[in-house]
Amino acid sequence: AQSVTQLGSHVSVSEGALVLLRCNYSSSVPPYLFWYVQYPNQGLQLLLKYTSAATLVKGINGFEAEFKKSETSFHLTKPSAHMSDAAEYFCAVNVRGSQGNLIFGKGTKLSVKP
Amino acid sequence: SAVISQKPSRDICQRGTSLTIQCQVDSQVTMMFWYRQQPGQSLTLIATANQGSEATYESGFVIDKFPISRPNLTFSTLTVSNMSPEDSSIYLCSVVSGQGAREVKQFFGPGTRLTVL
Repeated sequence: AQSVTQLGSHVSVSEGALVLLRCNYSSSVPPYLFWYVQYPNQGLQLLLKYTSAATLVKGINGFEAEFKKSETSFHLTKPSAHMSDAAEYFCAVNVRGSQGNLIFGKGTKLSVKP
Repeated sequence: SAVISQKPSRDICQRGTSLTIQCQVDSQVTMMFWYRQQPGQSLTLIATANQGSEATYESGFVIDKFPISRPNLTFSTLTVSNMSPEDSSIYLCSVVSGQGAREVKQFFGPGTRLTVL
């Protein structure tokens, strides 16, 4: 069975600081991994996904995530936070070839201080 | 990409009543999904709805409580029946588009925020 754990329900950084949102997964088979962002009053938007190509995945808005099998992690990073990055971020996993049955983490709310 | 709209965006309902949530997609898609996000919880898949067949429900969800319609390739409804306060959640519609593992993307609607009194 697959599962996802996001460490920290709320992360606060200063504008210009590094953003690090943590995600660890559990999967009995090689997973597909995703990060989604949800801005206030908007739907989920795909930031990036890992599908077994390069382990370092670049997404939109300057975000990237690195798949580390030895650590079962898929942490999301951005070198310099911007005020517009304030949102809720969800890590998700699904079984390869299983469209739609994403298993989500509980989400991490990112706040950016001026 | 796929643009998804949901109606209503939010509602406050009385215990014992039912609410039907509509999901409209701007393109034809084979698979549509309904998720629930309870307060402080992660998103949980309720069911998968394919056009022309009955919806497939995940463990813990039943058709009598969450009947789903999928009359065509761009539209679906989810009904929350005989509501109780425990049904207070955000309900999200989702679709998958694209071919192949690396191209496929999953899109989500803005959600319907339901409060049951």
